[in-house]
Amino acid sequence: QKEVEQDPGPLSVPEGAIVSLNCTYSNSAFQYFMWYRQYSRKGPELLMYTYSSGNKEDGRFTAQVDKSSKYISLFIRDSQPSDSATYLCAMSEGGGAGGTSYGKLTFGQGTILTVHP
Amino acid sequence: DGGITQSPKYLFRKEGQNVTLSCEQNLNHDAMYWYRQDPGQGLRLIYYSQIVNDFQKGDIAEGYSVSREKKESFPLTVTSAQKNPTAFYLCASSAEWDRPQHFGDGTRLSIL
Repeated sequence: QKEVEQDPGPLSVPEGAIVSLNCTYSNSAFQYFMWYRQYSRKGPELLMYTYSSGNKEDGRFTAQVDKSSKYISLFIRDSQPSDSATYLCAMSEGGGAGGTSYGKLTFGQGTILTVHP
Repeated sequence: DGGITQSPKYLFRKEGQNVTLSCEQNLNHDAMYWYRQDPGQGLRLIYYSQIVNDFQKGDIAEGYSVSREKKESFPLTVTSAQKNPTAFYLCASSAEWDRPQHFGDGTRLSIL
């Protein structure tokens, strides 16, 4: 079983739809949670960065973390064709003072999203 | 503009050849990372460096080598020992280990 599971899709929605992207994980030590957007032949671009459980909103994007269920989500409201990309979730354990943690990210395999006009 | 520059964008390797991928950042970040991305898979960590003159193996370091002689530079060498080098290689950096990582636009390596 992979440490982070993400439905690869592909996911196709009409413009204006609400999109829900999800990841589940098995490592209860994960504390930092990220969503990246990756366009074709480009590097991932950081969209959202959250620590521990809760919600975070940025414009049309909302990230949710439920540590009790080991489940994170990214919601995109009023989706646009320009949102068409691969969305990657990533997470890390972090670490305390004097620890050996280096911020290693564990990624999901990515969900391919297409928003059609 | 501040950012991470990877070069070349496309690279071809012959059998038995070592090739070096360049990664330069002007963000003044301490930590740098190399990842490999294969189709339909997430990113896998090859090597990372928290500070100049220090680096550590990631999950899939076999067949790769790195150096960190300058803060802004973290080149990756794909050696002939790497039997399946065809992939998209991504370099990232972060201000400190617990800060978000930012990525370059990658180098696509193929075998001739």
